[in-house]
Amino acid sequence: AQSVTQLGSHVSVSEGALVLLRCNYSSSVPPYLFWYVQYPNQGLQLLLKYTTGATLVKGINGFEAEFKKSETSFHLTKPSAHMSDAAEYFCAVSRPLNTGTASKLTFGTGTRLQVTL
Amino acid sequence: DVKVTQSSRYLVKRTGEKVFLECVQDMDHENMFWYRQDPGLGLRLIYFSYDVKMKEKGDIPEGYSVSREKKERFSLILESASTNQTSMYLCASSPLARATYSNQPQHFGDGTRLSIL
Repeated sequence: AQSVTQLGSHVSVSEGALVLLRCNYSSSVPPYLFWYVQYPNQGLQLLLKYTTGATLVKGINGFEAEFKKSETSFHLTKPSAHMSDAAEYFCAVSRPLNTGTASKLTFGTGTRLQVTL
Repeated sequence: DVKVTQSSRYLVKRTGEKVFLECVQDMDHENMFWYRQDPGLGLRLIYFSYDVKMKEKGDIPEGYSVSREKKERFSLILESASTNQTSMYLCASSPLARATYSNQPQHFGDGTRLSIL
């Protein structure tokens, strides 16, 4: 069974500082991993995904994440935070469905990022 | 770009009412999903559908049903609304998976914030 743990429900950084949002997963098979962002009063938007190949994945808005199998982690980073990055971030892992025709996502509980001046 | 449209952004209903939440996607995706989002709990899957008239229960189906009469439209039905169903509801869609696991991301609507009084 797949599961996702996001450490820290709230993270606060100063504008220009490094952003680090933590995600650890458990999966019985090699996972597909995703980061989504949710801005206030909006749905979820895909930031980036890891499937196979390069373990460092680049996404939109300057974000990237590194898949570390030995640590079962997929932490999200951005070198320099901007005020517009304030949002809630969700890590998710793909898991199979009984039908075999679709995959479900298991989501973490989310991390709310606050960016201060 | 994929467009997933939820018919209402905000909805207020009374206990015991039958409530319909509508979702339409324009990318001919086979899979459609309904989630509810609650603070501290992340997203939880209510129901999903992988084809017209096909549906399967997710993790928290109690008190809900769904309908998919056309490929582009997926409806969530609260048979008899209760106050504990006050939540944000998110609809998503994705293409058919060619393997048991899928690296296809899900595309989300902007959500319906439902209040049951």
